[in-house]
Amino acid sequence: EIVLTQSPGTLSLSPGERATLSCRASQSISSNYLAWYQQKPGQAPRLLIYGASSRATGIPDRFSGSGSGTDFSLTISRLEPEDFAVYFCQQYGISPKTFGQGTKVGVK
Amino acid sequence: QVQLQESGPGLVKPSETLSLTCTVSGVSMSTSYWTWIRQPPGRGLEWIGFLSYTGSTNYNPSLESRVTISVDTSKAQSSLKLRSVTAADTAVYYCAREHCSNGSCSFDYWGQGTLVTVSS
Repeated sequence: EIVLTQSPGTLSLSPGERATLSCRASQSISSNYLAWYQQKPGQAPRLLIYGASSRATGIPDRFSGSGSGTDFSLTISRLEPEDFAVYFCQQYGISPKTFGQGTKVGVK
Repeated sequence: QVQLQESGPGLVKPSETLSLTCTVSGVSMSTSYWTWIRQPPGRGLEWIGFLSYTGSTNYNPSLESRVTISVDTSKAQSSLKLRSVTAADTAVYYCAREHCSNGSCSFDYWGQGTLVTVSS
């Protein structure tokens, strides 16, 4: 099983700031096989990024994904009030599909 | 508009079977992978498994001995059965569609989730 470790656990930032979230895999995965999701309290996760760097339909361009091998990142270029949430990475290269434990982006 | 809606009992007794249904609208169930994912309160996400449009299944090894996922395309429903539940199975259960395109896959549509508590 591939373990995904996200860091930091919590990120405290202000609106307008840049957020960089990390996702490290316990073994190399194809860059096509990593996705990022946003989850707000009481809601289902929402797909942001698939294939490591492709934005899902309707996702603003302030969200970007990058990385390969074992190291991936999600960047939010300028935080909007609605971006404060928990973010999960997920791999589907090797079964079972696994998720990271999440990074909470909170208001500073 | 694609919608997924989970339904089923919110309370299940230990050792019994958890049964949930996901009703799908706005998209054909004859494509994609129909998936179940769960999230214990305050914790991360765990992939349970899927049934593909070809009829093949793939389950998380940690749950494989207790889980069955089925699809009834005539009713546009996916179903989850988890046998011999314990308190550790208490979670919000989500159904989701996994869609693959150009070699890349993702869970692009989700239900709102339903909380199932295992307690006597």
